[in-house]
Amino acid sequence: ELKVEQNPLFLSMQEGKNYTIYCNYSTTSDRLYWYRQDPGKSLESLFVLLSNGAVKQEGRLMASLDTKARLSTLHITAAVHDLSATYFCAVRDTSGTYKYIFGTGTRLKVLA
Amino acid sequence: DSGVTQTPKHLITATGQRVTLRCSPRSGDLSVYWYQQSLDQGLQFLIQYYNGEERAKGNILERFSAQQFPDLHSELNLSSLELGDSALYFCASSEQSGQAIGGTIYFGEGSWLTVV
Repeated sequence: ELKVEQNPLFLSMQEGKNYTIYCNYSTTSDRLYWYRQDPGKSLESLFVLLSNGAVKQEGRLMASLDTKARLSTLHITAAVHDLSATYFCAVRDTSGTYKYIFGTGTRLKVLA
Repeated sequence: DSGVTQTPKHLITATGQRVTLRCSPRSGDLSVYWYQQSLDQGLQFLIQYYNGEERAKGNILERFSAQQFPDLHSELNLSSLELGDSALYFCASSEQSGQAIGGTIYFGEGSWLTVV
């Protein structure tokens, strides 16, 4: 069964600092997603990573994928308060069902 | 606005009762997914439908059931409700079972269920 793990679960950081969130998954998959969720709100799609070595950047967020290591990272550069949210990675199960399994989420708090 | 519509947004009901949550996917999307999000369980996959057929099942309780209708909207039925069923229930949709290159799944605003 496909399992997705994120770490850290909680992250408190100062504005202007850099940090990385990690997402590991247990079996092969053909795509990985990153989502952002504000408290009590819906999930907003940030990135879709489709191939080994894929890197995507949007503003202060950069996501990468290493399919051999079954690892994705979400790097935050020079954090600002507006980035405070919970970030989820999700992996598509390629066993034939195409269900999407989400990681545990990383709750990020950026302190002014 | 993702284009996925869920109703009701909030629902308070008593233990033992039954509720129905409704989801209208984005125009053209054939797949619908249901997820449950509670504080201690994270985002749990419940069930997926594709063009009216059940495609995948996750950790869905026997007290819960779902279906996707010919017009592609979906309903999640929760019965014999317990306090622990209180959660935010999300519906999401995608095109072609998510097989489209670069395809993603889009989430609705969720339905807050409180069981008292």
